[in-house]
Amino acid sequence: AQSVAQPEDQVNVAEGNPLTVKCTYSVSGNPYLFWYVQYPNRGLQFLLKYITGDNLVKGSYGFEAEFNKSQTSFHLKKPSALVSDSALYFCAVRDRTAGFQKLVFGTGTRLLVSP
Amino acid sequence: KAGVTQTPRYLIKTRGQQVTLSCSPISGHRSVSWYQQTPGQGLQFLFEYFSETQRNKGNFPGRFSGRQFSNSRSEMNVSTLELGDSALYLCASSPGEVETQYFGPGTRLLVL
Repeated sequence: AQSVAQPEDQVNVAEGNPLTVKCTYSVSGNPYLFWYVQYPNRGLQFLLKYITGDNLVKGSYGFEAEFNKSQTSFHLKKPSALVSDSALYFCAVRDRTAGFQKLVFGTGTRLLVSP
Repeated sequence: KAGVTQTPRYLIKTRGQQVTLSCSPISGHRSVSWYQQTPGQGLQFLFEYFSETQRNKGNFPGRFSGRQFSNSRSEMNVSTLELGDSALYLCASSPGEVETQYFGPGTRLLVL
């Protein structure tokens, strides 16, 4: 079965410092990986995806993610955190064994950026 | 383009009732997927529709059903509501099979 794991329930970082939110995956075949962010009482906002190509993927709001096949990881990063980045972050993989559009999500990591 | 819209945004029902949630995808998107989000189970896939056909269904009981209309708008229905159905129901649309899914704001359902 396709799955992703987010090992940290919460990540705390000071504003201006770099941030990393971790994600590891377990898939058969080549993975289609995604990062989404959720603000309180809102839906999920797409940040970035990896389908193929460069291992460093750049996304919205200054976020980027590094795909590492040997470590089966897809960590989300940002060079300088903002207080407004505080939110819930989800890593997801497309479940290609189920076909089409089924996404399998991790449990989420709450990012707290302090002023 | 306008984003994915979901109505209603909030809903309160009692056990045993049924509920219908609506989702309007981004213009031109033909795929609509539904997810349930709860604190205990996280985000779980319900089903996906493409061109009025259900292509995939998650591991939910038959009380959960859906449909898609010719204009790609989708509805999901939950019959005989249970307390455990209280959740945020998210709809996502996509242009096609391998494209990114874009989510709506969700409908928060509370079952009393």
